[in-house]
Amino acid sequence: NAGVTQTPKFQVLKTGQSMTLQCAQDMNHNSMYWYRQDPGMGLRLIYYSASEGTTDKGEVPNGYNVSRLNKREFSLRLESAAPSQTSVYFCASSPETKDYNEQFFGPGTRLTVL
Amino acid sequence: AQKITQTQPGMFVQEKEAVTLDCTYDTSDPSYGLFWYKQPSSGEMIFLIYQGSYDQQNATEGRYSLNFQKARKSANLVISASQLGDSAMYFCASQEAGAQKLVFGQGTRLTINP
Repeated sequence: NAGVTQTPKFQVLKTGQSMTLQCAQDMNHNSMYWYRQDPGMGLRLIYYSASEGTTDKGEVPNGYNVSRLNKREFSLRLESAAPSQTSVYFCASSPETKDYNEQFFGPGTRLTVL
Repeated sequence: AQKITQTQPGMFVQEKEAVTLDCTYDTSDPSYGLFWYKQPSSGEMIFLIYQGSYDQQNATEGRYSLNFQKARKSANLVISASQLGDSAMYFCASQEAGAQKLVFGQGTRLTINP
């Protein structure tokens, strides 16, 4: 039982390049999330998916797209990376069992855009 | 809109002492959950404890307890008998009932001195 896994762990991009961050969970959770964490700050929600086939914007969605490929996988795509997207990206998942749900986080992807 | 305020950027505590990390929240929803996460230097987010707004008792999990004062809108984390391994960033977060996202504070860096 690996929990939430993310690939890659580290990535360096040049401005304008594109890439996809991958996330998978093996806990059979319905909901999945993408957050970013900038230095000295808490996490901010980029996008989330309440169930397979649905996605919604979070607090900071500009410059990103997501795909909920199936119940296990939720990817985050940067179409044209910008230095402002340098951050640590966390994927999380949660079961839909009650009003408030503990979210289980992946190890994070550290992205640098030059 | 939800808001979490953590007013202590950093705290230094002697090993074996108890420590209180402050968190105040602002939400217009009468039903909400409050969470604390630990982020060690390795970067992962570790769930510590949860309190629901209608819970009568303060939550406890081992050495962690949550001092929930609803009228003051505070949800302070108390760590008893601190250990060197408690050195980390600590984040308070809130979630309104039925909402998907967690809203995080800016965090408190706790350092335990031997």
